[in-house]
Amino acid sequence: QSALTQPASVSGSPGQSITISCTGTSSDVGSYNLVSWYQQHPGKAPKLMIYEGSKRPSGVSNRFSGSKSGNTASLTISGLQAEDEADYYCCSYAGSSTFVFGTGTKVTVL
Amino acid sequence: EVQLVQSGAEVKKPGESLRISCKGSGYSFTSYWISWVRQMPGKGLEWMGRIDPSDSYTNYSPSFQGHVTISADKSISTAFLQWSTLKASDTAMYYCAADSGYYHYWGQGTLVTVSS
Repeated sequence: QSALTQPASVSGSPGQSITISCTGTSSDVGSYNLVSWYQQHPGKAPKLMIYEGSKRPSGVSNRFSGSKSGNTASLTISGLQAEDEADYYCCSYAGSSTFVFGTGTKVTVL
Repeated sequence: EVQLVQSGAEVKKPGESLRISCKGSGYSFTSYWISWVRQMPGKGLEWMGRIDPSDSYTNYSPSFQGHVTISADKSISTAFLQWSTLKASDTAMYYCAADSGYYHYWGQGTLVTVSS
């Protein structure tokens, strides 16, 4: 059960859109619509941003959106803002009642 | 309001045992599984395992199976993560999270430091 692969870092200017990829396998991301995304600011607990691939919890900005194609899930942040600078993690169900997180992506707002 | 409150920071020596806790409130404790997540210093999130508080059925990541034990006491709405023999490599922040296939509610984290 290997960690899902994410780019180590992604950056963008305020107002731009960025996309973070999350690549797994046919045993996790590719088999289930149970990918979630989390934002983590330094010293804080993670915060749910997207669940079940593309659903947004109440209170999360609609600038955040999720999608999936094959074994790769993606998180897009549109209209990038300074407060979006944080670490982002994907997570997928991996069968047999287990889950796996991604390697994490540091988002920098230039 | 759903809340998960974890026990405080711990400093232990290698070889010692430890149990940390995660107390749920504001909801029926048996409504969500509880998952535990490790974050080593400067590193990413790692899923350790989960427990169904209604019957204490557990699942573990292969990476953590045999190294930790997850348990729960539904009568006090509390889940536990325990080690029988700590190692320096167990130094990390540990989070509990209410698990419904995703983690909407998180504890504040418990920092465990293992050092001689």
